[in-house]
Amino acid sequence: KAGVTQTPRYLIKTRGQQVTLSCSPISGHRSVSWYQQTPGQGLQFLFEYFSETQRNKGNFPGRFSGRQFSNSRSEMNVSTLELGDSALYLCASSLTGTRSYEQYFGPGTRLTVT
Amino acid sequence: AQTVTQSQPEMSVQEAETVTLSCTYDTSESNYYLFWYKQPPSRQMILVIRQEAYKQQNATENRFSVNFQKAAKSFSLKISDSQLGDTAMYFCAFIPGAGSYQLTFGKGTKLSVIP
Repeated sequence: KAGVTQTPRYLIKTRGQQVTLSCSPISGHRSVSWYQQTPGQGLQFLFEYFSETQRNKGNFPGRFSGRQFSNSRSEMNVSTLELGDSALYLCASSLTGTRSYEQYFGPGTRLTVT
Repeated sequence: AQTVTQSQPEMSVQEAETVTLSCTYDTSESNYYLFWYKQPPSRQMILVIRQEAYKQQNATENRFSVNFQKAAKSFSLKISDSQLGDTAMYFCAFIPGAGSYQLTFGKGTKLSVIP
């Protein structure tokens, strides 16, 4: 099976712009979660989607949003970019309906805001 | 809210030796899941091992094993026969279960395997 894929892998944006990141989960996985990784704050949960519905959201401002499509692919959007949004954004997918709760991560999107 | 603490920011081990990484957590949940993830310099997060809180038996995956002490809320990772490819950041993580897939991570331990 193919792993979790994320596009683009690298992105450079300027302050005030918006950005959309994409994530394709492992085939058959219906839960997709997003995480932000920075040197200062570490790994922080952004949100989780299942069957096109957001089930959980972390403590991030409303500039961070996401959605999930019927094929389980997910996108996250950050509007009005700030310098502090520079980070590695990781997507993870899970096979629901089991008791494993294992999450498998993609390679990440490195976002640099200048 | 759950918290995960990794008290060792950096560790090193000689190739072929054994090393133990520490992790403690705090939760009021009774049934939950604990994980160790590895993040090598490539930045790809890789699942190393999983432990379910309701299972008393410690999980083992090849050279990786855990020491799960539920009462002490401790979850350490032991790496046997360390290899150069084990050099990475190691993150301890917690999921409360009950339908939640929100992982809470520790700050990580940077492990260097020395030839």
